[in-house]
Amino acid sequence: ETGVTQTPRHLVMGMTNKKSLKCEQHLGHNAMYWYKQSAKKPLELMFVYNFKEQTENNSVPSRFSPECPNSSHLFLHLHTLQPEDSALYLCASSQESSVGGELFFGEGSRLTVL
Amino acid sequence: AQSVTQLDSHVSVSEGTPVLLRCNYSSSYSPSLFWYVQHPNKGLQLLLKYTSAATLVKGINGFEAEFKKSETSFHLTKPSAHMSDAAEYFCVVRVNTGFQKLVFGTGTRLLVSP
Repeated sequence: ETGVTQTPRHLVMGMTNKKSLKCEQHLGHNAMYWYKQSAKKPLELMFVYNFKEQTENNSVPSRFSPECPNSSHLFLHLHTLQPEDSALYLCASSQESSVGGELFFGEGSRLTVL
Repeated sequence: AQSVTQLDSHVSVSEGTPVLLRCNYSSSYSPSLFWYVQHPNKGLQLLLKYTSAATLVKGINGFEAEFKKSETSFHLTKPSAHMSDAAEYFCVVRVNTGFQKLVFGTGTRLLVSP
């Protein structure tokens, strides 16, 4: 199994739909992240969970709702999204107690909002 | 505040010629710096990292980077480009804001021609 797995890889939804993105890490890490990658913009950190507790919310609109039931799983629940929310959503994990603490990324979920 | 600046949005090289991707950082203390690569429709993969040990850091696929404090630079180099090196490259600095997180540069797209 790869280190960080994201599903689905592609998602198309209307503005009134409710959907969820899933992330699972098999690395034994204690921190998980959601990033948004839009065309021609730097990677934007959305949420950080450390030991299942949310430690960062970068002023993300409430139509994005994260859930971290345990240290291996992270969800991003989506509802009433806007077309400008179309982007690649990347999940990552890290071991925060280690020196360096680099992030390990999944392959992303490509979201298109119609 | 800690930040990174990638000086070139695009770099074009011919296969077999050297690669130089430039990155300058801003940090009030000794930073941790990373280079990540992203191939089309893929997640980000760590190339190399600097965490205050040796200033010349060797990474995967023949890439290396040199930390130069006097120039606040962390440029990425490779002696000979391969077609498979065509991708987006991100310079990243780790910041200490109570909970450590990564700040990404805007990316440099490397184009490799035959």
